[in-house]
Amino acid sequence: TQLLEQSPQFLSIQEGENLTVYCNSSSVFSSLQWYRQEPGEGPVLLVTVVTGGEVKKLKRLTFQFGDARKDSSLHITAAQPGDTGLYLCAGAPDRGSTLGRLYFGRGTQLTVWP
Amino acid sequence: EAQVTQNPRYLITVTGKKLTVTCSQNMNHEYMSWYRQDPGLGLRQIYYSMNVEVTDKGDVPEGYKVSRKEKRNFPLILESPSPNQTSLYFCASSYGPKYEQYFGPGTRLTVT
Repeated sequence: TQLLEQSPQFLSIQEGENLTVYCNSSSVFSSLQWYRQEPGEGPVLLVTVVTGGEVKKLKRLTFQFGDARKDSSLHITAAQPGDTGLYLCAGAPDRGSTLGRLYFGRGTQLTVWP
Repeated sequence: EAQVTQNPRYLITVTGKKLTVTCSQNMNHEYMSWYRQDPGLGLRQIYYSMNVEVTDKGDVPEGYKVSRKEKRNFPLILESPSPNQTSLYFCASSYGPKYEQYFGPGTRLTVT
């Protein structure tokens, strides 16, 4: 059972297009993190969101945390070939027996063609 | 330089031969964890540790052991590796699960 459902799994677009990646769950999270991973390397943090409804921007990337802290989205404006990579969301549960855990989505492999 | 190191980076072994993958961090982080990454399955947590001598199971702990005798080290032990443990393994450290995770470079393990 995947606690965090990430979609789409694959995304292949042309340079200049916009895209959105979704990360959904039925569980409440104390924080939601987005990572990017290049082939042969470990994931690197892009952003952490902690407050329901929070929106953070990182240049052309916009991250949003749902009001109920159960879901998040990553929107990229005018994608560039340098955005190509595997995008992963990760959530730390808010309470209960899984308090020390960190759950990852299955990832979205983004390819941006010139 | 702040970093998480893992060794070895690549390992090919045979079924049943005990092995240890080491993980070390120099950031004085309390929280350390091990993940395996398989195509289409994302990162799955194997074990995590909230502090020295405190470890707990993640999603897929079967066939693995860990120990946390020192704050900086968190080795992953496969007592009797099997082919279904062929995977890419990552160690990570942080101040806690809701903080930025710093990942090691990964260990690609093949069990034949």
